[in-house]
Amino acid sequence: KNQVEQSPQSLIILEGKNCTLQCNYTVSPFSNLRWYKQDTGRGPVSLTIMTFSENTKSNGRYTATLDADTKQSSLHITASQLSDSASYICVVSGVSGGYNKLIFGAGTRLAVHP
Amino acid sequence: DAGVIQSPRHEVTEMGQEVTLRCKPISGHNSLFWYRQTMMRGLELLIYFNNNVPIDDSGMPEDRFSAKMPNASFSTLKIQPSEPRDSAVYFCASTTGAGYGYTFGSGTRLTVV
Repeated sequence: KNQVEQSPQSLIILEGKNCTLQCNYTVSPFSNLRWYKQDTGRGPVSLTIMTFSENTKSNGRYTATLDADTKQSSLHITASQLSDSASYICVVSGVSGGYNKLIFGAGTRLAVHP
Repeated sequence: DAGVIQSPRHEVTEMGQEVTLRCKPISGHNSLFWYRQTMMRGLELLIYFNNNVPIDDSGMPEDRFSAKMPNASFSTLKIQPSEPRDSAVYFCASTTGAGYGYTFGSGTRLTVV
């Protein structure tokens, strides 16, 4: 069964600290993996997208890694800011019926406190 | 680019009423998706259009839900009759056929009382 599991479910850190969010998936065949940030009351916004051959991709203070062999990904946030408080959703794209189908993780809810 | 535009942003309606949610995808995107998000179930795909044709509607909960895409720049999701359990945030997203540029709208928060 195609699944995407994220951990932790929620996380509280102090402003300025780093954190790492985890994503394990069993989606096959695999097309790409995306990390989205969703602020409260807003739609998800793409942070990174990685294909099978990419191991790491950065977007400012956000760095995503991908190990396609172990089917694991992480999102590292450096020097956190209050504005990083949001839900972070891991989304894996697989091909089903000839079309890209997105499988969503449940998200990690991050709270950055001053 | 204005992104994916959804309307209304908020909708409060009484049980039994018809509700219509609207979406304008990004120009040039030929795939459109409707999602529902709740605290309990997260993001769920309801229906997916490619070139205005419904491809996968297996996520549509029941016959009360229907979606149309009369042209490449407009889609609607209709609930008739609405029920309190339909209360959720409904998102529309669009992308190119290759799956890149996947962009969500800001969502419609539906409350059925």
